[in-house]
Amino acid sequence: DQQVKQNSPSLSVQEGRISILNCDYTNSMFDYFLWYKKYPAEGPTFLISISSIKDKNEDGRFTVFLNKSAKHLSLHIVPSQPGDSAVYFCAASAQNYGQNFVFGPGTRLSVLP
Amino acid sequence: GAGVSQSPSNKVTEKGKDVELRCDPISGHTALYWYRQSLGQGLEFLIYFQGNSAPDKSGLPSDRFSAERTGGSVSTLTIQRTQQEDSAVYLCASSLDPLNNSPLHFGNGTRLTVT
Repeated sequence: DQQVKQNSPSLSVQEGRISILNCDYTNSMFDYFLWYKKYPAEGPTFLISISSIKDKNEDGRFTVFLNKSAKHLSLHIVPSQPGDSAVYFCAASAQNYGQNFVFGPGTRLSVLP
Repeated sequence: GAGVSQSPSNKVTEKGKDVELRCDPISGHTALYWYRQSLGQGLEFLIYFQGNSAPDKSGLPSDRFSAERTGGSVSTLTIQRTQQEDSAVYLCASSLDPLNNSPLHFGNGTRLTVT
């Protein structure tokens, strides 16, 4: 069973508009969440994270929102740029339990010029 | 180097042969992880080393897979008697302090092709 789900395999957005990537999880022990971006032939690159004690974290064009009651998080990219086109992975960890990071299947974002 | 280094970047091997994949983590990072990504799939956890603790091997798909981490630094993932379904990109990552909200930093991976 998938503990971390990204139900949209792909997403297309016009340059300059907002991109919203969604992630759902099932394990209520998860307390640390991350987003990674991956280009072809490269390893995933860390983008932004959020601890379960917060509901929002912002870094430049990237904002992550966490809704613990719904077990849902989202990544907002504003404004979207063509260079943002990549596969985005959501990941979760139960840090207080020393557990490994569980990744979602990824969402391929295409930002159209 | 500044990042996680993996070698080789590509490996083609015949079915039944053994392979060794190497990972050199970021200096000072206490935790080291191996994941793999099969074609069209997400990242699948394999094994996790944290300091001197016993590794978490819960993700290893079969007893043909093993990994070690020598001196708390370099790690080697060994696949014995490779099968075609082992073909994937094997990714190594390290983390400074995984119990205190430190993210994973990945290498570029080793693309393994079993013919």
